[in-house]
Amino acid sequence: DAGITQSPRHKVTETGTPVTLRCHQTENHRYMYWYRQDPGHGLRLIHYSYGVKDTDKGEVSDGYSVSRSKTEDFLLTLESATSSQTSVYFCAIRTSGGNGELFFGEGSRLTVL
Amino acid sequence: QQQVKQSPQSLIVQKGGISIINCAYENTAFDYFPWYQQFPGKGPALLIAIRPDVSEKKEGRFTISFNKSAKQFSLHIMDSQPGDSATYFCAASTSGTYKYIFGTGTRLKVLA
Repeated sequence: DAGITQSPRHKVTETGTPVTLRCHQTENHRYMYWYRQDPGHGLRLIHYSYGVKDTDKGEVSDGYSVSRSKTEDFLLTLESATSSQTSVYFCAIRTSGGNGELFFGEGSRLTVL
Repeated sequence: QQQVKQSPQSLIVQKGGISIINCAYENTAFDYFPWYQQFPGKGPALLIAIRPDVSEKKEGRFTISFNKSAKQFSLHIMDSQPGDSATYFCAASTSGTYKYIFGTGTRLKVLA
């Protein structure tokens, strides 16, 4: 499972509140990703990181920020959660070498009421 | 902006039949095309992948067919089994960008 842990696994929150999702990896991979999965949209890239303090935007980055202060942790923050951000969020790491391979965490289900 | 179009959205196949899922892309810079399999409540997992220098890749009952001129690739699952029931995603990436763009997914159900 590439040593990926997401927390929390489930969260229900109110509109307008801040939310932080955490992704922790144990294998020192350089590249980490946050995706959201929604019916009819598949997996869409929110942000990704290519090293400590190095991040870049994906397809659907509006309303989200990320931070990576340590190799092993990649945090996704919803500064003011909206109902449209109700989704399942997946963290992934990319292995090194060749094309690399994405390994995904188990997902974090977020419901914004 | 959906750069990888996947079809069908859902698929029902009898046990022992062939499941076929298709994907099309527009960006000719893509040079790596993986397929991911996802079971309910789990994260997607890499199933098989292909680069555009080959037209077909086979691993067990799973085959990717690639048509570079048509900018299309497909996943074939031979002798489909109920245990293959899952959601399948195609994806594409470009070397050096480390971004992976996914299709919208196909929910496969194999009837026993």
